[in-house]
Amino acid sequence: KAGVTQTPRYLIKTRGQQVTLSCSPISGHRSVSWYQQTPGQGLQFLFEYFSETQRNKGNFPGRFSGRQFSNSRSEMNVSTLELGDSALYLCASSLKLSDNEQFFGPGTRLTVL
Amino acid sequence: DAKTTQPNSMENNEEEPVHLPCNHSTISGTDYIHWYRQLPSQGPEYVIHGLTSNVNNRMASLAIAEDRKSSTLILHRATLRDAAVYYCILRETSGSRLTFGEGTQLTVNP
Repeated sequence: KAGVTQTPRYLIKTRGQQVTLSCSPISGHRSVSWYQQTPGQGLQFLFEYFSETQRNKGNFPGRFSGRQFSNSRSEMNVSTLELGDSALYLCASSLKLSDNEQFFGPGTRLTVL
Repeated sequence: DAKTTQPNSMENNEEEPVHLPCNHSTISGTDYIHWYRQLPSQGPEYVIHGLTSNVNNRMASLAIAEDRKSSTLILHRATLRDAAVYYCILRETSGSRLTFGEGTQLTVNP
């Protein structure tokens, strides 16, 4: 069974631009969560989607948004990029909400210049 | 969110058992204790979880104190591939949100 896939794997943008990252969960998984990982802040929860609805949200500004499609694939968008948005963005999927085991993808490395 | 406290780093020899401690004195009655690990250049990987009783799976064992204020992840025979950052996480029963701390960097010596 294929794991969680994230595209693109690497991305370079400049300040002020916007970016869209994509996550395809494991087949059959309906819950998708997003995390940001930086050397200074570690792994921080962004948001969680289940059945195309945002179920939980972390403490990030409104520039960070996401959505989930009917096939459970998810995208996250960051608008008006700042230097501090440079990070590894990780997606995790699980069969259902509140599932005990989440499966993480390899992440998208975003660099903002 | 309830917090966890872990040592910043630990070092072990290959083929010896590893005991990774975690303190979570503010744990609530409904918080699950989860362990994930992150190998270099990879996303985190689920290791094990528990609520009150000790747990075993193919990867590790989880020993939970009777008062649930601490737990220990046990790797029975460390291999070089076990070198990673190990995160002890308390997860609320509602939602999948994981609140990661700084974790323990495990070094395995050959």
